[in-house]
Amino acid sequence: AQTIHQWPVAEIKAVGSPLSLGCTIKGKSSPNLYWYWQATGGTLQQLFYSITVGQVESVVQLNLSASRPKDDQFILSTEKLLLSHSGFYLCAWSSNWGEGDTQYFGPGTRLLVL
Amino acid sequence: GMPVEQNPPALSLYEGADSGLRCNFSTTMKSVQWFQQNHRGRLITLFYLAQGTKENGRLKSTFNSKERYSTLHIKDAQLEDSGTYFCAAEAGFASALTFGSGTKVIVLP
Repeated sequence: AQTIHQWPVAEIKAVGSPLSLGCTIKGKSSPNLYWYWQATGGTLQQLFYSITVGQVESVVQLNLSASRPKDDQFILSTEKLLLSHSGFYLCAWSSNWGEGDTQYFGPGTRLLVL
Repeated sequence: GMPVEQNPPALSLYEGADSGLRCNFSTTMKSVQWFQQNHRGRLITLFYLAQGTKENGRLKSTFNSKERYSTLHIKDAQLEDSGTYFCAAEAGFASALTFGSGTKVIVLP
């Protein structure tokens, strides 16, 4: 069975500090990976997707970047956090690209920027 | 307008009651997914539909691409059905998933 982990569970960071959030998928080779952001009380917005190692496409620019260093790992980062980065970050995976498929979500990381 | 309009924003219902949620799309969508977000924020995948109707236990979802809408029906609501429900749709199979604004469901004993 596939499992998806995100780390850390939660973070409190200062404005201007760097950030790195991680996501790992186990039990699935060559997954499509996604990052989403949810403002408190809001809806979800897709940020990035990746269909293969080393390749990342940006959907929405929020002064964030993403990388896929390994097949099972997806990293979201920034060198300088903004207050507007606060929220809930979710990683998701799916099997097929270009054919449509269910996306499965990780437990998320809560971020508070002060 | 918004590409995905979800209604109602919130609803309360008693245990055992039935209710429905709806998403309207401003453009033709290729597929829709429905999720339940629990109190911890975890998104649980309920349905993926490219067309037609699917049922899973007390939940049933329909997607009509031509008429540009999807529905989620909760039958015999239970306390654990409480949470925020989101629909999310893809305009094309390789396009970004666009989420509705969510429906906060509260099931009362």
